[in-house]
Amino acid sequence: EPEVTQTPSHQVTQMGQEVILRCVPISNHLYFYWYRQILGQKVEFLVSFYNNEISEKSEIFDDQFSVERPDGSNFTLKIRSTKLEDSAMYFCASSVGLLGEKLFFGSGTQLSVL
Amino acid sequence: AQSVAQPEDQVNVAEGNPLTVKCTYSVSGNPYLFWYVQYPNRGLQFLLKYITGDNLVKGSYGFEAEFNKSQTSFHLKKPSALVSDSALYFCAVSRAGGYQKVTFGTGTKLQVIP
Repeated sequence: EPEVTQTPSHQVTQMGQEVILRCVPISNHLYFYWYRQILGQKVEFLVSFYNNEISEKSEIFDDQFSVERPDGSNFTLKIRSTKLEDSAMYFCASSVGLLGEKLFFGSGTQLSVL
Repeated sequence: AQSVAQPEDQVNVAEGNPLTVKCTYSVSGNPYLFWYVQYPNRGLQFLLKYITGDNLVKGSYGFEAEFNKSQTSFHLKKPSALVSDSALYFCAVSRAGGYQKVTFGTGTKLQVIP
């Protein structure tokens, strides 16, 4: 089965630094998402992206966050100035369509902000 | 706002016994409902979904779930649990009609005891 791939698997950064988390969605998928999971529990929606623009975002996704699809394959999440509370597992996901389509998740990037 | 409640942090069941993982939801309009499973250090994997039609939906690995509109519930069930079913299970909801945000519950850890 095709997979969503994420790099790096672990990222350690200092508070206030910028980080970029990278994802390669499944090639024929059109909708892309970022979620995060804190302490292996609650999975929180951050943002959805379609047709090269954000289509929905949560209150978590403030001005410190941005997403980009710089080429035909990569989908990135940037955090401009990381805070301690940004420490979490970040999951990228993609779906082929919109109406009730299942999400395919990557294995995640564990971000640790020191 | 949409939300999902998974009232049990953990469910323990003996191998071979039937299992139920509970989920209730709240959403404006009609729901799309999902179950995902997460194994340690992995992303979420799709199990099954309810979009419309038959209230009993069948999914991967012998799991099924029943949509109950009057009780706003979507409980996950399996007739005979396997030790390999031990994992973290997430119920999720989105609003029918093209909305992309999928909201996840807090997860229920299923422990199948040999």
